[in-house]
This record gives sequence, C-alpha cells and structure tokens, in this order.
Amino acid sequence: ETGVTQTPRHLVMGMTNKKSLKCEQHLGHNAMYWYKQSAKKPLELMFVYSLEERVENNSVPSRFSPECPNSSHLFLHLHTLQPEDSALYLCASSQRTGDQPQHFGDGTRLSIL
Amino acid sequence: LAKTTQPISMDSYEGQEVNITCSHNNIATNDYITWYQQFPSQGPRFIIQGYKTKVTNEVASLFIPADRKSSTLSLPRVSLSDTAVYYCLVGGPYNNDMRFGAGTRLTVKP
Repeated sequence: ETGVTQTPRHLVMGMTNKKSLKCEQHLGHNAMYWYKQSAKKPLELMFVYSLEERVENNSVPSRFSPECPNSSHLFLHLHTLQPEDSALYLCASSQRTGDQPQHFGDGTRLSIL
Repeated sequence: LAKTTQPISMDSYEGQEVNITCSHNNIATNDYITWYQQFPSQGPRFIIQGYKTKVTNEVASLFIPADRKSSTLSLPRVSLSDTAVYYCLVGGPYNNDMRFGAGTRLTVKP
C-alpha cells in the first residue's frame, strides 16, 4: 500500500474510444505526476501538477489531456490514441514538485487495439 | 539536469552482496540521490535516499563519495525476491524535469 491508488488497473480500448485514467493519493501531497512506461523503456515524465496547477508538460501529444481538480485527484483523459500509446501509465505524488521520494501507484496497463 | 548512468544489467546469487553504482557527474549542490526498486507491472518503490557519505536503512546502504559524482547502492544478502529493476534518480526541490534512466536489471539466481 503506497497511498496512491490508480484505476482501472487494466484498460483495453479502440483507437476511437474516449476513456479516463484516475489517480488518487491519500498522503496530503501537493504535487502529482503522470508517467508513461513502454515495454523495456525508462519511465517518461508526461505531466507535473503542483496544487492543481500544471507546471510541466513534456511535449505530450494533445490526445492525452490531464486534469487535476484538487490536490488529491489526478485524471488522464484519453482520446483517439494510437497503438504506440499502449504502455503502463503510472501516477505518483510527492510533498512538493521535485521532492524525492515520489510515491507511485501500481499503474494502469493500457492496450490500444 | 543531472543525468545518471547505470549498468544495464547484473546477475547475482542468493546470499551474496550486490553493489550497483550510478554515475551522476553534473549533480547540483541541492540535489539528493534517490534509489527505487521496480517489479514488473508495479510502480517504482523507494529504497533509500542520501546527500553525502553513507546512509543505511533496514533494506540497503547507500555510499556517496565526497565529490558526489557517483553513488553505490548496496544490497546485503540478496534473495530471489530482490530480482527487479533498480533506478538511481538525482534531483532537488522544485526540479520539475526529473528523469529516470534505464535502470539496472538485477537477476538473482538460486
């Protein structure tokens, strides 16, 4: 139990579908992150939020749309994804942006048909 | 941004001590060194963190030389369940551009 919960754990979707990934942290942290981890590749930082404000967007395609309604919840809205977007999507949180350690959820395994 | 370099893979046997070294030549004054462990289909888990010299906890030790340009994670008496990918991450407060490297894939054999 890491204090960061991600749902769903697995998701299969077609390229024209719209779905959302959810992340919730119970640690009272102010920073939240989305990472992408493709097979046998390093974690790629996608988005960083601090107190519900996006502070970093690492050139992520617009088919990925993050939302942070409050400091405990983070969403990743998916629309018109490509097969190369199949990956493990990980959410993390920390007290402030840049603080280590980050606390990670167990991710959502996304498969695009 | 401090880039890290680690061996891609390492093999060990149960009961041995394993040392994994990470190079971070351009570490900044405010940067800490943090190590994570990741099992398949799980998120990385924090192992240990340090700034300088030596840090020890119940699962590992971290050795950092005076120039801080490298660090060594030491796992005493590994078991099969220590088979995982180990990541070294260097960064400090408000650094929004942290990068995980490729990590070191440790395989522990019986």
